[in-house]
Amino acid sequence: EEPLVESGGGLVQPGGSLRLSCAASGINFNGFYMSWVRQPPGKGLEWVANIKEDGTDKYYVDSVRGRFTISRDNAGNSLYLQMNSLRVEDTAVYYCARSRGWRAYMDVWGKGTTVTVSS
Amino acid sequence: DIQMTQSPSTLSASVGDRVTITCRASQSISSWLAWYQQKPGKAPNLLMYRASTLESGVPSRFSGSGSGTEFTLTISSLQPDDFATYYCQQYNTYPLTFGGGTKVEIK
Repeated sequence: EEPLVESGGGLVQPGGSLRLSCAASGINFNGFYMSWVRQPPGKGLEWVANIKEDGTDKYYVDSVRGRFTISRDNAGNSLYLQMNSLRVEDTAVYYCARSRGWRAYMDVWGKGTTVTVSS
Repeated sequence: DIQMTQSPSTLSASVGDRVTITCRASQSISSWLAWYQQKPGKAPNLLMYRASTLESGVPSRFSGSGSGTEFTLTISSLQPDDFATYYCQQYNTYPLTFGGGTKVEIK
């Protein structure tokens, strides 16, 4: 069983919205920061957002702040990314990952879900 | 934002070769650096953190060094499973940033 499984990706028009989900199983989810990292087609990795263990602190890259919201449900071992006002440049594979701390590296990754923003 | 620059962007090597990848930060990040390996169509896999600490389960042919602004990832004897793209990532300061990647190809 995969420790992190993302879902919710798809094709959306510019200006539209999507909500990504990440289900955790078999790993310590509640005790760790969680992250979203994205990778545009054929390009490198870009960190998107982090959320503290209890959900009280959240951090975003400037390009998504005000449009994306990271959240979590510790009772359900789930992480979310609400994406609004989507742009063509948001097209990417979005990975859910566990972070070892406040500002940290990611030690467990999901397989990713693809978001395509196109008219 | 801290810019991370990797070199080379592509590296051609043979099985058994010693391979070194460099990562430079635009300002000092102490030792707050991680390395990842990514194969096509797969998620990244953590290799190293704190610049030189090997993640559990990662073969000992991988090693890391450096501090401040200059870091290296070395593969002592390249194996067939090592042909992949490697990324560095700084976690000294938000936003967390990655290098552009180094693709290790078969020569």
